Order: sequence, then structure tokens, then C-alpha cells
Amino acid sequence: KAGVTQTPRYLIKTRGQQVTLSCSPISGHRSVSWYQQTPGQGLQFLFEYFSETQRNKGNFPGRFSGRQFSNSRSEMNVSTLELGDSALYLCASSRTSGPTDTQYFGPGTRLTVL
Amino acid sequence: ILNVEQSPQSLHVQEGDSTNFTCSFPSSNFYALHWYRWETAKSPEALFVMTLNGDEKKKGRISATLNTKEGYSYLYIKGSQPEDSATYLCAREPNSGYALNFGKGTSLLVTP
Repeated sequence: KAGVTQTPRYLIKTRGQQVTLSCSPISGHRSVSWYQQTPGQGLQFLFEYFSETQRNKGNFPGRFSGRQFSNSRSEMNVSTLELGDSALYLCASSRTSGPTDTQYFGPGTRLTVL
Repeated sequence: ILNVEQSPQSLHVQEGDSTNFTCSFPSSNFYALHWYRWETAKSPEALFVMTLNGDEKKKGRISATLNTKEGYSYLYIKGSQPEDSATYLCAREPNSGYALNFGKGTSLLVTP
């Protein structure tokens, strides 16, 4: 069974630009969550989608948005990039949106903002 | 405790040593505690999910315990091996939603 895939794996952008990251969950998984990791910080929750609906949202500015398609693939968009957005972005999928459901992580997208 | 805290931040042990780490978390609005292992250049891998006070889980040489009343969990590795080298993350799942609150992790290095 294929794991969670994320594209692209590496990305370099400049301040002010926007970026879209993609996440394809494990087949049959309907929930996708997004996390940001910056140096010295733990994984910070961005948002979670289940069946094309955003179910939970973390404490991030409105420049961070996402969506989920009918095939459960998800995209995350960051507009007007800032230097502080440089981070590793991880997505994770799970079968349902229920509590204690194991999340399976992708390899991440490393975003560098210059 | 307002956030999930893990200690120590890093640990260096010799092969064969047993070791343990601590995860402290807010005990209010608690639903579950997750442990993950994250090896360099790989994706975080789920180890355990625990919900009940006194829960103990075991997977090979790795085990974990949970105390929800005082808000802490221990992860134990018996007879550490070099392949155990990784960052171990814990995450608290609140009962108000599905967002996992992660600690910053404990980085373990096991040398032969």
C-alpha cells in the first residue's frame, strides 16, 4: 500500500510570492492534517480536512489556507510569503476524523523563503 | 503546564543501555496521548496511542505508560540499539477537537 506522498519535496520562493503544496493520502483515508515545523519548534497544527470540509484549524494567519478534493487529496496554500514561513510542512492522513485514529505522515515539503 | 513538554531534549546512550523519556502535558480536556518516532530523512512513525489513566503499551523493546491525572507519560527503551536513534515525539490530543499538540521531541543517539 503506498504511503502518504507530498509534492514538491523542496521549494524555494521569495518574499511576497505564494505557494501551493500538495498531499496525497493513503488510499481509503479521508482525513488529512497539515503541520508546520520550524527550527526549535515542535510540529504546529495548521488544519485538518475530512470529506472536503475543514474540521479543525490551528492558530495561523489567514495567509495559510487549504482545501481537500473529492479524492481526498489536499492542497495547502500560503500567500504573501514571509521569511518566517520557511519550514518543513508535513501532512498526515488517517482513515477517519475520529479521536485516537493513527495519523500516517508524509515525507514533508521543505519550503525556503528568501 | 500549558504546553506539551518533553525531557530531556537530547540523549546519548551506549548500545545495550536502557533509557526513558518524559512527556508532560496539560491534564485538562485530555483525550489521548500519541507517541511517534521520527528518524532522520524519514516520516514520523506512530508508536502508541493511549487514552486511559494507567495505560501501558508495548512494542518490542519499546514501552510507554500514561498518567492522565498528573499529566505525564514515559517512554522506555530496553537495550537500546543504534537503529533506535531518532527523535521521539509525543502529542496530546484534546477532547475538544482532533488537533494534535506536539512536544519538541527528545533526540536519542545510540552509539555502538
